[in-house]
Amino acid sequence: AQKVTQAQTEISVVEKEDVTLDCVYETRDTTYYLFWYKQPPSGELVFLIRRNSFDEQNEISGRYSWNFQKSTSSFNFTITASQVVDSAVYFCALSEARRSQGNLIFGKGTKLSVKP
Amino acid sequence: EPEVTQTPSHQVTQMGQEVILRCVPISNHLYFYWYRQILGQKVEFLVSFYNNEISEKSEIFDDQFSVERPDGSNFTLKIRSTKLEDSAMYFCASSESGGEDEQFFGPGTRLTVL
Repeated sequence: AQKVTQAQTEISVVEKEDVTLDCVYETRDTTYYLFWYKQPPSGELVFLIRRNSFDEQNEISGRYSWNFQKSTSSFNFTITASQVVDSAVYFCALSEARRSQGNLIFGKGTKLSVKP
Repeated sequence: EPEVTQTPSHQVTQMGQEVILRCVPISNHLYFYWYRQILGQKVEFLVSFYNNEISEKSEIFDDQFSVERPDGSNFTLKIRSTKLEDSAMYFCASSESGGEDEQFFGPGTRLTVL
């Protein structure tokens, strides 16, 4: 069965600290897609990144970086030099290729609080 | 930049009443979705819709729920007889070609059932 686990319920850091949000997934598919979404206090869901199962290259976008490791079924997200505006709930999500419509399975989310 | 829109932003209804939540997906997108998020919990898939029919639905999406694309732009979610436990944020999303594509979410409709 497919599943996404975000073991960290809440994380609190001080501005400028680095923080890593963990995501572990389960799927029987060999082809799948992983996503991170941000939900700021205003409530909308903002797409951050997509990764397919054949691309294990890590990615960096500004202060954000993602570490995808198939061997450990993990897709972790690191924010470098965190800022107060990074405070949000972050969701990791999985989509399996056999579900061609791409229904997303979300983790429970990690609430990140960045204090000044 | 094109975006998904949803109306209303907040809907309050009495238990047993019917509600219709409306969404306008991004215009060139072909795949449409509804998700819900009970306060403080994770986002849960309800239904996907492609080519004017339901592609997949979750266990949550029972006979009380229905979806429709009444015209070329709107995508609606109807709950026939609301229950207290239907209180949640309902998100509409769309993607260009399903599968691996990212889904763009609307701002959500907060449904409160009294």
